[in-house]
This record gives sequence, C-alpha cells and structure tokens, in this order.
Amino acid sequence: EAGVTQFPSHSVIEKGQTVTLRCDPISGHDNLYWYRRVMGKEIKFLLHFVKESKQDESGMPNNRFLAERTGGTYSTLKVQPAELEDSGVYFCASSLGTSGTQETQYFGPGTRLLVL
Amino acid sequence: GESVGLHLPTLSVQEGDNSIINCAYSNSASDYFIWYKQESGKGPQFIIDIRSNMDKRQGQRVTVLLNKTVKHLSLQIAATQPGDSAVYFCAENLSETSGSRLTFGEGTQLTVNP
Repeated sequence: EAGVTQFPSHSVIEKGQTVTLRCDPISGHDNLYWYRRVMGKEIKFLLHFVKESKQDESGMPNNRFLAERTGGTYSTLKVQPAELEDSGVYFCASSLGTSGTQETQYFGPGTRLLVL
Repeated sequence: GESVGLHLPTLSVQEGDNSIINCAYSNSASDYFIWYKQESGKGPQFIIDIRSNMDKRQGQRVTVLLNKTVKHLSLQIAATQPGDSAVYFCAENLSETSGSRLTFGEGTQLTVNP
C-alpha cells in the first residue's frame, strides 16, 4: 500500500512568487493534515480536512496560504505571494477517520520550500 | 544515554546501549501522546503512542513512559542500533479542544556510534 506522497520534494522560489504544494493521502483516508517545520523549530499544525471540508484551520498563518481538497482526495496548499519566512518543510499527514480523533497520523516525506 | 529536559536537542550513545529520550509536554489536559522518528530527508514515522489512562506501553525494543504528575514523557530504546539514528519528536493531543491536531516538541537528535 502506498504511503502519503507529496510533490514537489523541493521548491526554490523568489519572494513574491506563488508556489503550490500537493499531497496525496493514503487511499481511503478521510482525514488530511498539513503541518510545517520552520528551520530549527518544532513541527506546527496548519490545518485539518475531513474529506473535502476544513475541520480546523486555526494554524494557518495568514491569508497568503490557501488549502483545498476538492473531491476529498488529494490536497493542495498554495502560498501566494511567498515571503522569506515561509521557508521550511511542509508535511502532509493522513489518518483513516473511523476511530475518532486519536488515530495514528501517517506523514509524507515533506516538501522543502526555500524562498529567496 | 539519556537526554534531559526539553532544551537539550542532541543525544549520543554507543551501539548496543539503551537510549532514553525525554519530553516535557505543555498541557496537563492532553490525553494522547505519540513518538515519531524522523530520518534525514524523510517525514516523521510513527513509533508508538500512549493514552493518558496508561503510564507505560511497550513495543518492539521501545517503551514509552508517561508521568502525568510532572507532565513528562519518555521513550526508551533498548539495544540501540545505528539505524536508530534520527530526530525523535514527541507529540501531544487534547481531543476535547484540539480535535485531531498534534502539538509537537522540538525534537531530539539521536546519534548512535558504532
């Protein structure tokens, strides 16, 4: 069974440009999460989808970040316009969604974003 | 070898020794705790979890201990191997108010010397 996949693995862009990150969760997983780790700091929650609906977006830093999960399958996270402080590793995770809130979250390999 | 306190990010041990990685969590009401292992270039990999109604749980070569009195979580790795070298993160969840959101610690870099 394939795990969580993310694309691209790396992205280098200039300040002011737009970048779109993609996450494909494990097949059949209703829950999809975005987290990010800024250099040297802890992994922080961004948002949580249940199927195509945003369940919790309390971690989204500002309105330059837009996450979508049309159809409840893969998700995209767009940063527009990118700023220097957006550099970091963006992780996606998924969980099954049948056992309540305390389910194992399986993480993808991350997208390493560098904004110059 | 043992890491002490949340603010010591590195632990170096000899192959075959036991390792203890410590984590002080923030919310006394958290009811679910997880340890993840992250190898270079990869995402966090689930190791073991524990719920707040337990104080110990064992897996294969790993044991998690939970001390709710002092809000302390530890991961013990028996007979540490070079393949155990990675960054280890503890994470907590408070389902009542945080839903499924995980709050991560800063991580501890474990290096296993042959």
